[in-house]
Amino acid sequence: AQSVTQLDSQVPVFEEAPVELRCNYSSSVSVYLFWYVQYPNQGLQLLLKYLSGSTLVKGINGFEAEFNKSQTSFHLRKPSVHISDTAEYFCAVKKTTDSWGKLQFGAGTQVVVTP
Amino acid sequence: ETGVTQSPTHLIKTRGQQVTLRCSSQSGHNTVSWYQQALGQGPQFIFQYYREEENGRGNFPPRFSGLQFPNYSSELNVNALELDDSALYLCASSLDLKGTGELFFGEGSRLTVL
Repeated sequence: AQSVTQLDSQVPVFEEAPVELRCNYSSSVSVYLFWYVQYPNQGLQLLLKYLSGSTLVKGINGFEAEFNKSQTSFHLRKPSVHISDTAEYFCAVKKTTDSWGKLQFGAGTQVVVTP
Repeated sequence: ETGVTQSPTHLIKTRGQQVTLRCSSQSGHNTVSWYQQALGQGPQFIFQYYREEENGRGNFPPRFSGLQFPNYSSELNVNALELDDSALYLCASSLDLKGTGELFFGEGSRLTVL
């Protein structure tokens, strides 16, 4: 069995400040890792993914994440946030042997950016 | 290139009724997955369809069923609705089973069961 834990349900942050969203996972088999963003009243959009290779992954909108296998973590960071980054962020894992559509999501972290 | 579209966007049903939700995949995508997102939670995988056959299922009872059509559009059917079925239902499409790992999501159908 596998699980995904997003350690913060809500993260308030000031505009232009850095933000880090924490994600830990557990799995008995190899997994791929993803971060998705959900803006209000919209579907989810892929920010970035780790499949293999470099453990530092860069995504869209200035986000990056680092895969740490020993700590089973995949934390998401952005050095300077904008008001438009206010959204819900979901960490997700997929067993490497599962089909691409079968993701397991965490409960989400709501990011609220204020001026 | 058209994105994933879902209908209806909102609907209200009563316990025991049946509901059908519809999804049009992104152009060229032949795989569709359905997710249930309860309020304040992350999406949960219901099932996936590839070439009109179910290809993987999550921990949902048989009253959740689906179809995929030759044009790759899809339906999610839920029978004998329960109050806990109230949720946002998301459809996601991707390009075949060996895609790039990116799912393209629709905006969802919000179901309220009274």
